[in-house]
Amino acid sequence: AQRVTQPEKLLSVFKGAPVELKCNYSYSGSPELFWYVQYSRQRLQLLLRHISRESIKGFTADLNKGETSFHLKKPFAQEEDSAMYYCALSGRDSGYALNFGKGTSLLVTP
Amino acid sequence: GAGVSQSPSNKVTEKGKDVELRCDPISGHTALYWYRQSLGQGLEFLIYFQGNSAPDKSGLPSDRFSAERTGGSVSTLTIQRTQQEDSAVYLCASSPARNYGYTFGSGTRLTVV
Repeated sequence: AQRVTQPEKLLSVFKGAPVELKCNYSYSGSPELFWYVQYSRQRLQLLLRHISRESIKGFTADLNKGETSFHLKKPFAQEEDSAMYYCALSGRDSGYALNFGKGTSLLVTP
Repeated sequence: GAGVSQSPSNKVTEKGKDVELRCDPISGHTALYWYRQSLGQGLEFLIYFQGNSAPDKSGLPSDRFSAERTGGSVSTLTIQRTQQEDSAVYLCASSPARNYGYTFGSGTRLTVV
């Protein structure tokens, strides 16, 4: 069975501090991993795909197959990063429909 | 269209009534998904349409829930005999292919009273 775990419901950091949002997964094959973000009163939107190996808004995420993790990181948090972040997994077992974690609410305070 | 459109944006209904929620995906996107977002529960997968293939209905919580997609475009999610636990935000998303990033609609907030 596949599962996505985001252990922190809420993460609060100061502006300029590094931030890491944790995501762990369980999947027997080769998954595709994603991070989605939902800013206040906006629709859910794609932030990163692991296969793209890109940096968006200063965020990066590395797939660690050994630790089955896909943590989202940013070296210097900004107040506008405050949002709800969802880690998601896609794979053949789910027919490729995304399986989302329960989300982490990031609050960046000045 | 430019994005995924969902209607209505808000729906209040009485317990026991049927409701229909509509989703207009991005033109040309072959994959369409329905999710339910509840407070504290994250996003729960409901159903997935891919091209002309039979839909993946494995996430539908009960036989009161059904969905169809006409002409490979517009989709309707129907909830029969609504219950209070059906109250949630129902999200639709589309993508050009499987394993590609989704584009989400703004959702329909359903409240069953």
